[in-house]
Amino acid sequence: GQSLEQPSEVTAVEGAIVQINCTYQTSGFYGLSWYQQHDGGAPTFLSYNALDGLEETGRFSSFLSRSDSYGYLLLQELQMKDSASYFCAVRDNNDMRFGAGTRLTVKP
Amino acid sequence: EAQVTQNPRYLITVTGKKLTVTCSQNMNHEYMSWYRQDPGLGLRQIYYSMNVEVTDKGDVPEGYKVSRKEKRNFPLILESPSPNQTSLYFCASSLSPPGGVTEAFFGQGTRLTVV
Repeated sequence: GQSLEQPSEVTAVEGAIVQINCTYQTSGFYGLSWYQQHDGGAPTFLSYNALDGLEETGRFSSFLSRSDSYGYLLLQELQMKDSASYFCAVRDNNDMRFGAGTRLTVKP
Repeated sequence: EAQVTQNPRYLITVTGKKLTVTCSQNMNHEYMSWYRQDPGLGLRQIYYSMNVEVTDKGDVPEGYKVSRKEKRNFPLILESPSPNQTSLYFCASSLSPPGGVTEAFFGQGTRLTVV
């Protein structure tokens, strides 16, 4: 089966850098995705990695190491609006499995 | 505007009273799915549909039904709701099975309380 592990909570200050880790177990692998969800809102797609290495999109970057079954989301120059939950996700045959989510709190 | 629309946004109902949560997308996506979100458990897939008249179970299908008679609509049916189905529900659509390069688009959620 598939499982994803990520920390439940992370706290950081405005302007800092924070890394949210995700380890996964899969029977097949199509890539690791990241979604953001603000309180009361819908999940929205942030990034995706299929190959090893770092993918950068503005202040957000995502990293993947397939040999370690490990990835992370890196958020730089944190802003208050980055306070949200972040989910890693993998495809499992024809459905998608999410981690339990990491709640990021950004403090002034 | 590309969107996934769920209705209702909030619903309080009683045990055993059949209900339907509607989901509609305007992006001509073939793949649609339903998730429930509970504290500490993340998003868990209930059912998904690869195309019209093609549906399959996700991780937590017990107590739910779905149908896909039209490409744009994917209603979630609770024939006899129970309190353990109190949850936040999300519908999502994508061009193909999500994960990997294919992005899933989510509706705004339906908060269901069964008393």
